[in-house]
Amino acid sequence: GEDVEQSLFLSVREGDSSVINCTYTDSSSTYLYWYKQEPGAGLQLLTYIFSNMDMKQDQRLTVLLNKKDKHLSLRIADTQTGDSAIYFCAESPLTTGKLIFGQGTTLQVKP
Amino acid sequence: GAVVSQHPSRVICKSGTSVKIECRSLDFQATTMFWYRQFPKQSLMLMATSNEGSKATYEQGVEKDKFLINHASLTLSTLTVTSAHPEDSSFYICSAPRLAGGFTDTQYFGPGTRLTVL
Repeated sequence: GEDVEQSLFLSVREGDSSVINCTYTDSSSTYLYWYKQEPGAGLQLLTYIFSNMDMKQDQRLTVLLNKKDKHLSLRIADTQTGDSAIYFCAESPLTTGKLIFGQGTTLQVKP
Repeated sequence: GAVVSQHPSRVICKSGTSVKIECRSLDFQATTMFWYRQFPKQSLMLMATSNEGSKATYEQGVEKDKFLINHASLTLSTLTVTSAHPEDSSFYICSAPRLAGGFTDTQYFGPGTRLTVL
């Protein structure tokens, strides 16, 4: 079946690194995504990783993929108050285009 | 970059009325679009896949007669919530995948439509 799990809440201090974890079940997923949602707004694509990659870095964002364990993480370096939002990981099984989302992790950044 | 728009961004209607929400891909063609629903403080749940030129594919538990989907062109999909009731109040988000080389490149989401049914 298709299922994506995330921890619900993470609190960090400004300047620290944040690590948001995600596990998924569908090994056929070709792409795995991280989205950010600010209050009352739609989804903003942060980054994605192709399933044959282990790591992808994009400025302050680092995505790590452990395909064997079906574990995905998003690291935000030097976390800022503007990073406070809900972060969703999502998998896209069999390149169908549809996304299966995790519950979302609320990131709280304290000054 | 690719942009997906939704209209309206916010709608308030009376119970029993129908509401139409539009989703447009602005600088690319999308033969497929997706409609999601998000309840407060919850994740996005896929409602249906909108297919240009053919019938939409609904996820289990989604009433196709309640949520009418029409994919009229390669850049426009509409979701009509028929005979809306307060329990239909939600945040509706569409997305469109941009294909590259036959595989999904990435998906772009609209800004969402907040529906409130009184």
